Amino acid sequence: DGGITQSPKYLFRKEGQNVTLSCEQNLNHDAMYWYRQDPGQGLRLIYYSQIVNDFQKGDIAEGYSVSREKKESFPLTVTSAQKNPTAFYLCASSIGQTSTNEKLFFGSGTQLSVL
Amino acid sequence: RKEVEQDPGPFNVPEGATVAFNCTYSNSASQSFFWYRQDCRKEPKLLMSVYSSGNEDGRFTAQLNRASQYISLLIRDSKLSDSATYLCVVVPFSGGYNKLIFGAGTRLAVHP
Repeated sequence: DGGITQSPKYLFRKEGQNVTLSCEQNLNHDAMYWYRQDPGQGLRLIYYSQIVNDFQKGDIAEGYSVSREKKESFPLTVTSAQKNPTAFYLCASSIGQTSTNEKLFFGSGTQLSVL
Repeated sequence: RKEVEQDPGPFNVPEGATVAFNCTYSNSASQSFFWYRQDCRKEPKLLMSVYSSGNEDGRFTAQLNRASQYISLLIRDSKLSDSATYLCVVVPFSGGYNKLIFGAGTRLAVHP
């Protein structure tokens, strides 16, 4: 079955530590996204990528980094500069970005907590 | 003012009830609208798109009012399985990347 796989489901970070969240898709989608969800708030865009080897900052990119070396993979690193990393992280993909009606496909999410 | 606003709820309704959610948006140039459903600590899933003429999918009806800048979702004959958070999603006229703006969601709890 085609889809998006996020791992791990739960992740704990120590102070000063960088952690990486994995996102893999086998839908052959060009565009991929990372969102952060906090209780009582809507999803906020961290980074997005329209094509391999290219990515752009979203609304809350500070303290995060990404790479897009392969079409299938879009890992997110939460760096020690992100002072409030506890949140539910969602990866998504879409066929491309040529239409505002494109459907987003989401992974099952990673809950990141600080120890 | 938030770009997309929803009543957080929760809406507690008995099985079989009809319930309606509203969502207001601030950008009058917004061009696409969606309702997503999200179960607790799961990924959002597209419930339905919202068209200017209104659209229906089984027990679910979505409406758009551009003049007043709100969209609505009506659920008829509520089922226990409808319990979830319903996210309103608006796509402004960006001309660039696919920037969806998510509301914080309205929680629905259907009880026996």
